[in-house]
Amino acid sequence: AQKVTQAQTEISVVEKEDVTLDCVYETRDTTYYLFWYKQPPSGELVFLIRRNSFDEQNEISGRYSWNFQKSTSSFNFTITASQVVDSAVYFCALSEVIGNQFYFGTGTSLTVIP
Amino acid sequence: ETGVTQTPRHLVMGMTNKKSLKCEQHLGHNAMYWYKQSAKKPLELMFVYSLEERVENNSVPSRFSPECPNSSHLFLHLHTLQPEDSALYLCASSQTGASFYEQYFGPGTRLTVT
Repeated sequence: AQKVTQAQTEISVVEKEDVTLDCVYETRDTTYYLFWYKQPPSGELVFLIRRNSFDEQNEISGRYSWNFQKSTSSFNFTITASQVVDSAVYFCALSEVIGNQFYFGTGTSLTVIP
Repeated sequence: ETGVTQTPRHLVMGMTNKKSLKCEQHLGHNAMYWYKQSAKKPLELMFVYSLEERVENNSVPSRFSPECPNSSHLFLHLHTLQPEDSALYLCASSQTGASFYEQYFGPGTRLTVT
């Protein structure tokens, strides 16, 4: 079974719409970290955010916000008022402290149409 | 130069060739990683080096051979590859090999095995 599931393979939205990218994870560890990365067409993944398993507070950074819910093992990412520059592939990732393992999801390709 | 750089950006090689991918990080980090990114699949962590020691080798075929001569440089030596090895190979670095540090990625090498 996959450790990190991003069920949405591709999403298209019209500019200025809000969009939420889903991420569901699976782990038995009590201490773990969750990440979101953005991969623009240039190729390199860009770090967006890290949350640890003990901090369920939602976070907002400009047009980006993250909703971490341990009860549903989800760490969803919302872009408000999307822009064309948001078009990219977004990856959710999990790292487990025990064994120092990293797991990425398959990514969600977001296209923002002008 | 800043960040994580990778050379070459594109590589085409035959199955009998020997080539090397190079990664260099200018961030003062102590851990470096090789990932394989294939279409529709999660990023696969191949190798992890922390303080120039290999700490992770996720059952990667021996035709891939990593080398980390110092904390700033990482190589991936390739020989007798198969067509299914065609993929984007990403290098990353982080402050240490501990799982809670975010990783910084290079732009990748697009490898095609013919």
